[in-house]
Amino acid sequence: SYEVTQPLSVSVTLGQTARLTCAGDNIGSKNVHWYQQKPGQAPVLVIYNDMNRPSGIPERFSGSNSGKTATLTISRAQAGDESDYYCQVWDGTTVVFGGGTKLTVL
Amino acid sequence: QVQLQESGPGLVKPSGTLSLTCAVSGGSIISDHWWVWVRQAPGKGLEWIGEVYHSGNSNYNPSLKSRVTMSVDESQNHFSLELISVTAADTAIYYCAGANGPSLSAYFDCWGQGTLVTVSS
Repeated sequence: SYEVTQPLSVSVTLGQTARLTCAGDNIGSKNVHWYQQKPGQAPVLVIYNDMNRPSGIPERFSGSNSGKTATLTISRAQAGDESDYYCQVWDGTTVVFGGGTKLTVL
Repeated sequence: QVQLQESGPGLVKPSGTLSLTCAVSGGSIISDHWWVWVRQAPGKGLEWIGEVYHSGNSNYNPSLKSRVTMSVDESQNHFSLELISVTAADTAIYYCAGANGPSLSAYFDCWGQGTLVTVSS
């Protein structure tokens, strides 16, 4: 079965750029979606189809996907961006989530 | 804007059946959305349980397939999850969600608030 790997944790200084990765075999050939989940809340879609932002998601959130790695980039990180982030892909008829990355804003 | 709300028992006995319903408001369950269940064990990541279309077509996580049934009730505008033979490992927050986009490439753009189901005697 297909697996995607995310780092357990990433730290970023307030106002700087955070890059969260999602690694998988030839993931560049798949559509990658990203979710933000704050404690006690349901996930929220922040990026779909590698690089598209749903309405209401700040332009500071962007995505890319190539080769073996998809990346969620958060520019000018804010305290409110501190959350868990999950990537999601499809493997045939099955959905695969990454294990999630906890983003800490210092 | 579609809104989703889960309902069902918060406590299920081991070997029993977990049954949850997700009410869809602000839109019709007869739409291009596939309807999805995702769960999250305490302190853990997201796990996709499966999806169902209003036609009744469904896809399930292979690891749960033998125990899961999903269905859609058009008259009630809701969809449901049944998970049989539950154990403590099935204790989790259960989310319902709507999947948008092409089949087998869809993303989940609307979510319920989640409901905690505990499996315990």
